Amino acid sequence: EIVLTQSPGTLSLSPGERATLSCRASQSISSSSLAWYQQKPGQALRLLMYGASSRATGIPDRFSGSGSGTDFTLTISRLEPEDFAVYYCQHYASSPLYTFGQGTKLEIK
Amino acid sequence: EVQLVQSGAEVKKPGESLKISCKGSGYRFSNYWIGWVRQMPGKGLEWMGTIYPGDSDTRYRSSFQGQVTMSADKSISTAYLQWSSLKASDTAMFYCARLDYSRGAYYFDYWGQGTLVTVSS
Repeated sequence: EIVLTQSPGTLSLSPGERATLSCRASQSISSSSLAWYQQKPGQALRLLMYGASSRATGIPDRFSGSGSGTDFTLTISRLEPEDFAVYYCQHYASSPLYTFGQGTKLEIK
Repeated sequence: EVQLVQSGAEVKKPGESLKISCKGSGYRFSNYWIGWVRQMPGKGLEWMGTIYPGDSDTRYRSSFQGQVTMSADKSISTAYLQWSSLKASDTAMFYCARLDYSRGAYYFDYWGQGTLVTVSS
């Protein structure tokens, strides 16, 4: 089973700053199998990116995803107040098996 | 507009049974896998299994096999997650989510709002 490790656990930034969130896989994975989600209290989770770098419907272009092999990154170019949330990466394997990282909490500094 | 609406919060005693639901709208419910995801208090997300409402084909994560039962009624666009005998350790938020497919991989593109299950004596 692939293990996804996200870092940092908590990221403290101010609105307008750039956020870089990391997701590392325990072994090399296809970039098409990597997705990112946003979770806010009291709201449904939201798909941000799929295939590592494709933005989901309605996601602003300040969100971008990149990476290959074992290292993947979600970047938020200029933080808006509504971006402070918990972010999860997720891997799909064809068994099927869906695994999530432990999450990165993005908090206001 | 795609929506998944889940049933409301439940408070149960150990040993009781429970069935929670997830109703889809805004798309052809039969044609997309539905996944169930558990989030224990203060923890991350854990995939439990998936069901294809078109033929009720079901795939369970090994750790949940025999612990829960997934089902679906495509005539009313609803998926279900049920327990026959709850334990305190089943206390969690449970999410349903639709699965979409691109370039050889599935991902959860729409999520329900979650159903909080509390099991306490």
